[in-house]
Amino acid sequence: AQSVTQLDSQVPVFEEAPVELRCNYSSSVSVYLFWYVQYPNQGLQLLLKYLSGSTLVKGINGFEAEFNKSQTSFHLRKPSVHISDTAEYFCAVSSSGGSYIPTFGRGTSLIVHP
Amino acid sequence: ETGVTQSPTHLIKTRGQQVTLRCSSQSGHNTVSWYQQALGQGPQFIFQYYREEENGRGNFPPRFSGLQFPNYSSELNVNALELDDSALYLCASSLGAGEYNEQFFGPGTRLTVL
Repeated sequence: AQSVTQLDSQVPVFEEAPVELRCNYSSSVSVYLFWYVQYPNQGLQLLLKYLSGSTLVKGINGFEAEFNKSQTSFHLRKPSVHISDTAEYFCAVSSSGGSYIPTFGRGTSLIVHP
Repeated sequence: ETGVTQSPTHLIKTRGQQVTLRCSSQSGHNTVSWYQQALGQGPQFIFQYYREEENGRGNFPPRFSGLQFPNYSSELNVNALELDDSALYLCASSLGAGEYNEQFFGPGTRLTVL
């Protein structure tokens, strides 16, 4: 079985400040990891994913994440946030091999203040 | 290129009724996945259809069933509705069933069960 824990339900930050959204996972097998963003009243959009290779993954909108196998973490970072980054962010894990059947975390609400 | 569309946008049903939700996949995509997102929670995987066959299922009872048509559009059917079925139902399409294929999400159908 696999699971995802997003450690912060809400992260307030001021515009142009750096931000880190934390994600820890558990799985008995190798995993693939994903971050999605959901803007109000919209579906999810893929920000970035780790499948293999370099543990530092760059995504859209200036976001990046680092896969840390020893700490079973996949934290999302952005060096300077904008008001438009205010949204819900979801971390997801899928076991390697077979079909893509993801398990999502409960989400972190990023609130960017002017 | 048309994105993923879902209908209806909102729906109100009473306990015990049946409901059908519809999803049109993005052009060229042959895989559709359905998710249930309860208020304040992350999406939960219901099932996936690849080329008209069920390709994976999450932890949902048999009263949740689906169908994929030759044009790769899809339906989600829920029988004997319960109050806990109230949620946002998301559909996502992709070109292929694996984790290497990015899922594109529709805006969702908001189902309220009274």
